Amino acid sequence: NAGVTQTPKFQVLKTGQSMTLQCAQDMNHNSMYWYRQDPGMGLRLIYYSASEGTTDKGEVPNGYNVSRLNKREFSLRLESAAPSQTSVYFCASSALGPPRTDTQYFGPGTRLTVL
Amino acid sequence: AQSVAQPEDQVNVAEGNPLTVKCTYSVSGNPYLFWYVQYPNRGLQFLLKYITGDNLVKGSYGFEAEFNKSQTSFHLKKPSALVSDSALYFCAVRDISNFGNEKLTFGTGTRLTIIP
Repeated sequence: NAGVTQTPKFQVLKTGQSMTLQCAQDMNHNSMYWYRQDPGMGLRLIYYSASEGTTDKGEVPNGYNVSRLNKREFSLRLESAAPSQTSVYFCASSALGPPRTDTQYFGPGTRLTVL
Repeated sequence: AQSVAQPEDQVNVAEGNPLTVKCTYSVSGNPYLFWYVQYPNRGLQFLLKYITGDNLVKGSYGFEAEFNKSQTSFHLKKPSALVSDSALYFCAVRDISNFGNEKLTFGTGTRLTIIP
């Protein structure tokens, strides 16, 4: 049982390049989330998917798109990377139930640098 | 709207002493409250949560937290600190009275350093 996995672990991009961050969970969870973590700002929600087939914007969605490919996988795409998107990105998942637990389980993160 | 405040960026405690990491929250309805811990270069790990019932919640690694509705607080505590407790701690809240709200709001984190 791997939990939440993310690829890649590290990535360096040039301004304007695009890339997709991959996330998968094997816990049969309904909900999945993408966060970014920046020093002094905690975790900020980019997008989330309450269930397969649905996605919603979080606190900081600009510059990102997401795809809930199936129940297991939730990808985050940067179409045209900017230096302001340099951050550590975390994927998480949680069970909506039954039973509903609300506890989110996090992946190991992707450290992204945009030059 | 829901929000969380962690008023201390950094907390230093001597090994063996009790520790407290503070968290206050704001919701319009009733809260679910969480504590997570992050070790260097790792993702967040769940420590404990308050959903309902007993105001004192016990979690992993000997940590506990007390839900105080009148003070809108959910401080994390441990009776005797270990050097291995040194990490970044996040408090999070969800307003369960907001129907359809699936989001957690996280605080900015408190770095706990246990001094040998």
